[in-house]
Amino acid sequence: DIVMTQSPDSLVVSLGERATINCKSSQSVLYSSNNKNYLAWFQQKPGQPPKLLIYWASTRESGVPDRFSGSGSGTDFTLTISGLQAEDVALYYCQQYYTIPLTFGQGTRLEIK
Amino acid sequence: VQLQQSGPGLVRPSQTLSLTCAISGDTVSSNLAAWNWIRQSPSRGLEWLGRTFYRSKWYFEYTPSLKSRMTINPDTSKNHFSLQLNSVTSDDTAVYYCARQVEAFQFDYWGQGTLVPVSS
Repeated sequence: DIVMTQSPDSLVVSLGERATINCKSSQSVLYSSNNKNYLAWFQQKPGQPPKLLIYWASTRESGVPDRFSGSGSGTDFTLTISGLQAEDVALYYCQQYYTIPLTFGQGTRLEIK
Repeated sequence: VQLQQSGPGLVRPSQTLSLTCAISGDTVSSNLAAWNWIRQSPSRGLEWLGRTFYRSKWYFEYTPSLKSRMTINPDTSKNHFSLQLNSVTSDDTAVYYCARQVEAFQFDYWGQGTLVPVSS
């Protein structure tokens, strides 16, 4: 199984500042034939299912604010939230869809300072 | 697209957990989607359980640790798919979600989630 490890486990950031969440996979999720990273990011608020933010490591889902961005390739990925807003308080997860079993990171809790 | 989950909210140990996910705005036999079950618990986090999809024939893929106990069934007449998990224990207590994958890629739509406690 591909193990997804996020860091940090929790993060406290001031309003308007930038939050950075890292995700490392135990093996590459870059598919060489199409040069795509099979990596997604989700946001989850209490009592709700996860919401897709980013797929292919850097493609923003329709309707997601442009303050959310994804980067990275191979085994190392980053979710950046620029200009943090109060509604961004949530849990964030990375997930690989390179191979089954599909696996998720353990989550990063983002709070406002 | 909307996914609406239904099923009992409590299951006894050793019994079978059964959930259904009704699809609107898409079809379970779409060649452009895969239909998944995922669960979430404090101890295990988000755990992918399995999926079914149709590509000229039906395919079924399960996480290895649960393969012997679970079945996913598509129902084209009702446009839904179901999860059965046999011989449950308290370790199967979780919020269960159904979710659509775009082809075999990102999860873009999720059901509302169903909390299933396993308790006597």
